Amino acid sequence: NAGVTQTPKFQVLKTGQSMTLQCAQDMNHNSMYWYRQDPGMGLRLIYYSASEGTTDKGEVPNGYNVSRLNKREFSLRLESAAPSQTSVYFCASRLVSGELFFGEGSRLTVL
Amino acid sequence: DQQVKQNSPSLSVQEGRISILNCDYTNSMFDYFLWYKKYPAEGPTFLISISSIKDKNEDGRFTVFLNKSAKHLSLHIVPSQPGDSAVYFCAASDAGGTSYGKLTFGQGTILTVHP
Repeated sequence: NAGVTQTPKFQVLKTGQSMTLQCAQDMNHNSMYWYRQDPGMGLRLIYYSASEGTTDKGEVPNGYNVSRLNKREFSLRLESAAPSQTSVYFCASRLVSGELFFGEGSRLTVL
Repeated sequence: DQQVKQNSPSLSVQEGRISILNCDYTNSMFDYFLWYKKYPAEGPTFLISISSIKDKNEDGRFTVFLNKSAKHLSLHIVPSQPGDSAVYFCAASDAGGTSYGKLTFGQGTILTVHP
């Protein structure tokens, strides 16, 4: 099925460990985004990539890095995980009409 | 600085009645507004949108109203159904600017529709 695929769906880390969240879309969209969802905070933009080869910071980029590997893939890396990064992470790509199409999310717990 | 606010964390409605979800924004550069619906353990899914050149957009049971002078939008669901029970997020963007499609989201409102 066409869409946005995120892996892994669940992950538990210890403080200081690193990990990469993977995201791939098969809709040939140019722009891709990483958001995090926390209770009472809505979805907050971490990083985005307007097109292949470009990335830029969003509202809450500290502690994260991203790579736009190609047009399909946009990964989010936590170099040294902290408990404050416990969250649900959503990757999205942008339709021409303007709305974002989201993946199913990756639930990360940092102990 | 919360640029998009949904001041009601939750709303409870009887099946068949109208659900009205509200959203306020502060950034006057926002010119494109969207509503998303989210079920537990799923990603948000697009519901309906409105451009700032309109004040109303309708799609089946869902209607979004935009009051630019008040910087306020609302989502009306008529009639409400139990399957509408979900978290609803309001979002906004500066589509005409250099925002590259970035959406700013509100905190969400949990809608519960009782049979």
